[in-house]
Amino acid sequence: GEQVEQRPPHLSVREGDSAVITCTYTDPNSYYFFWYKQEPGASLQLLMKVFSSTEINEGQGFTVLLNKKDKRLSLNLTAAHPGDSAAYFCAVSSISGSFNKLTFGAGTRLAVCP
Amino acid sequence: GPKVLQIPSHQIIDMGQMVTLNCDPVSNHLYFYWYKQILGQQMEFLVNFYNGKVMEKSKLFKDQFSVERPDGSYFTLKIQPTALEDSAVYFCASSLGSGASGAETLYFGSGTRLTVL
Repeated sequence: GEQVEQRPPHLSVREGDSAVITCTYTDPNSYYFFWYKQEPGASLQLLMKVFSSTEINEGQGFTVLLNKKDKRLSLNLTAAHPGDSAAYFCAVSSISGSFNKLTFGAGTRLAVCP
Repeated sequence: GPKVLQIPSHQIIDMGQMVTLNCDPVSNHLYFYWYKQILGQQMEFLVNFYNGKVMEKSKLFKDQFSVERPDGSYFTLKIQPTALEDSAVYFCASSLGSGASGAETLYFGSGTRLTVL
């Protein structure tokens, strides 16, 4: 089945710096990709859903890049601020399943220092 | 945005006891899920549930596990009896559609941290 590897497990950056989190996946049939943010004690908040036909997806303060050839998905936080401190999870949805079953990365704990 | 509520946020029980984890999904959603996350590891799919039935389950969904949503109330995960290896954070999620195309967005709760002593 699908395997997703997420790096790094922990990341600490200064306010204003960029932060990059990367996931690699194995199933070439994967079509939808998700980034979730989880602040301590809170639920997972959907940041972005990416379809495989779009390589660059821009959100508010971040960009998601998808490289289908390398099966790599990255979340780039530009000019990080302390409010970005949280755990970030990538998730991959494969069309080989009959129902929605996400395979998650292990998460990245991001700390943004003032 | 849509909210999924999980009760309680923490639960500590003795090995062999029964535990029920409760989930209040998004009100108009039809598909429900449980995921398990052992500390430091990734979230893994346990089960999905639709129209009163388990549709798909993983090998992590042991015989001691059961799910139900009686009369449209809480979506529950029951473990009876519990084992030490059941200690984890359990996340509930719901979605409007089945996501057979892979496009459906799952909305997650904040998790219940279960500690089995």
